[in-house]
Amino acid sequence: DTEVTQTPKHLVMGMTNKKSLKCEQHMGHRAMYWYKQKAKKPPELMFVYSYEKLSINESVPSRFSPECPNSSLLNLHLHALQPEDSALYLCASSQDIGTEQFFGPGTRLTVL
Amino acid sequence: GENVEQHPSTLSVQEGDSAVIKCTYSDSASNYFPWYKQELGKGPQLIIDIRSNVGEKKDQRIAVTLNKTAKHFSLHITETQPEDSAVYFCAASTDFGNEKLTFGTGTRLTIIP
Repeated sequence: DTEVTQTPKHLVMGMTNKKSLKCEQHMGHRAMYWYKQKAKKPPELMFVYSYEKLSINESVPSRFSPECPNSSLLNLHLHALQPEDSALYLCASSQDIGTEQFFGPGTRLTVL
Repeated sequence: GENVEQHPSTLSVQEGDSAVIKCTYSDSASNYFPWYKQELGKGPQLIIDIRSNVGEKKDQRIAVTLNKTAKHFSLHITETQPEDSAVYFCAASTDFGNEKLTFGTGTRLTIIP
């Protein structure tokens, strides 16, 4: 298995909802990443996990809460989001920190 | 911090011709430069990368060149095909072992049949 999978593909939520995004890889990669991408913009790094420990938090608001339950799985828990949080949320993984990053297809999130 | 500029923002090329996308970076410590292709509705896909100890790298119709003195690197696509149409992002990383990629602003490449 040489890909990063993300579920769901699309998500619509209200500002009072709680939802979670899921990312999975079975390539034995030890680093996993969350990015946010707005339309016609490059991906912006949100969080980095290395060996299941949070390595980087790019000053992301607390309404986004990452979780790495094991080396293959990365979640992003969402609560009390704002309409401006609507974007494509991308997960990526790499063999180790600083090596090639492989992206999943993303979750298209719409906050109403 | 690192700043990456990418040009042009849009590029239209006749099928079969070559396309060139250029990026400049600000931090002389950067030593890893990947290129990503993003098709509509998909995540970015790594297509080629280069490290600072190499001046040029080629993979079939795709090549990347790096000029560390001038702090710029370029993507060259030869014999373009309609499936090359996508948004291309360059990126730079300051240190091997640094998690953070700084992306360019992207180039929308359209191949005209």
